[in-house]
Amino acid sequence: GDSVTQMEGPVTLSEEAFLTINCTYTATGYPSLFWYVQYPGEGLQLLLKATKADDKGSNKGFEATYRKETTSFHLEKGSVQVSDSAVYFCALIHPGNQFYFGTGTSLTVIP
Amino acid sequence: ETGVTQSPTHLIKTRGQQVTLRCSSQSGHNTVSWYQQALGQGPQFIFQYYREEENGRGNFPPRFSGLQFPNYSSELNVNALELDDSALYLCASSLGGTSGRGNTGELFFGEGSRLTVL
Repeated sequence: GDSVTQMEGPVTLSEEAFLTINCTYTATGYPSLFWYVQYPGEGLQLLLKATKADDKGSNKGFEATYRKETTSFHLEKGSVQVSDSAVYFCALIHPGNQFYFGTGTSLTVIP
Repeated sequence: ETGVTQSPTHLIKTRGQQVTLRCSSQSGHNTVSWYQQALGQGPQFIFQYYREEENGRGNFPPRFSGLQFPNYSSELNVNALELDDSALYLCASSLGGTSGRGNTGELFFGEGSRLTVL
């Protein structure tokens, strides 16, 4: 069955450091891939998405590229801020079907 | 603000009881899905409703049931509560595709209902 595996946290970085959160997936066909973010005290919200191979999703300085050859969708940001502290979830969906979420990676950015 | 609202925000039940959780979807969204998020885990899909019909279900027993109403709001019912049912229950709305199968993309989540079973 479909599944998502993402790097375990927690991750602690200093402000302005480079961030990578790894995500790999198992799926048949061509799923759409997503990163969702959960800020403290808030519900999950979409951060970025990519719907086909080689697409790059981007938002708020975060980027992720859909790599079918490596079945990966790693999240990156060149310079993190304290306000980026949150839990990040990688997810996939086949159109019309259910979402599969990873276990989440907690990020803490310290000044 | 996502527009998805859930109630109640917190509740405590005892083993064997029944619970009903409610969700109002974002305006214009015809698909609602429910997720269980245990502490430190990602959301696990329970089921999905599209235009008042269940059109997808995860690996949850039949004592987890639901409804979607004509205004696309939804309920999650859990019977015979067990200690392991303690979790954050998330509702998400989306705009289903013309195929009638439901989610085609972005989910809009509520803040969840935190259930504690004692």
